[in-house]
Amino acid sequence: AQKITQTQPGMFVQEKEAVTLDCTYDTSDQSYGLFWYKQPSSGEMIFLIYQGSYDEQNATEGRYSLNFQKARKSANLVISASQLGDSAMYFCAMREPGAGGFKTIFGAGTRLFVKA
Amino acid sequence: EPEVTQTPSHQVTQMGQEVILRCVPISNHLYFYWYRQILGQKVEFLVSFYNNEISEKSEIFDDQFSVERPDGSNFTLKIRSTKLEDSAMYFCASSRKGLAGGGQETQYFGPGTRLLVL
Repeated sequence: AQKITQTQPGMFVQEKEAVTLDCTYDTSDQSYGLFWYKQPSSGEMIFLIYQGSYDEQNATEGRYSLNFQKARKSANLVISASQLGDSAMYFCAMREPGAGGFKTIFGAGTRLFVKA
Repeated sequence: EPEVTQTPSHQVTQMGQEVILRCVPISNHLYFYWYRQILGQKVEFLVSFYNNEISEKSEIFDDQFSVERPDGSNFTLKIRSTKLEDSAMYFCASSRKGLAGGGQETQYFGPGTRLLVL
C-alpha cells in the first residue's frame, strides 16, 4: 500500500533560519506527484509546492524548496528564512495515479514552531 | 483569485441525524473531492467525483455517505445517521483536470466544515 511518512511530529526553528521537514514515501508506481500543504491554526489547507516524479530538478516556490531524492523516496521541504507566520502544521502528500480524478494520500504532519 | 467555498463553517448535530455539507468548487474545475480530518490526525481521502459520478472512494466512504452535484455549482456531502466518530473537519477540494500521475494538477482546498456530533 502507498503511504507517506513524516517522522517529525514537531520542530522548532529560530526566526530567519532555515528548516527542513522530512518526508518519505512508498509507492511502486513510476508516475506520481508529491505535494506539501500548510495548515495554520485556522484550519485551512494551503498548497505550497509540487514535485512530479519525472521532474529532474527540485521544485522551488519562493522560500520553499523541495529536496527530491527519488532513489531514497524522500521529498523533504526546506523553508528558508523562517518567519513567525510559518508556524503551522505541514503535510506531505502523494497523489496516486489512477483513472480520472483520484486521491491524494497525506502524511501525519509536522507541527513547526518558529521562535522569535 | 477564485477559491473553493464551503458552508457551513461549523455544524453541530445530534447522533443519528442527517447532515449535508455544501461546497462550491472553482467554476472551471471538473473534478471534485471530499476529505476529512479528525482532530489532531491526518487528512484522509473520502471520495472523488467526476462527470456526475464517483470515480474513486476510500473504505471510509461507506453507505452512510453520499455525494451529489445537484446543480452546476454546488457539490454536497451527505452523512446519513451521523455517529460520534464522524466528528471531524471536512474539506472539499477541486481540480481542473484529473490528477493523472506525475502531471502538475493541483487540488485546491476549501476552508473546511467543522462537524461536531453529540
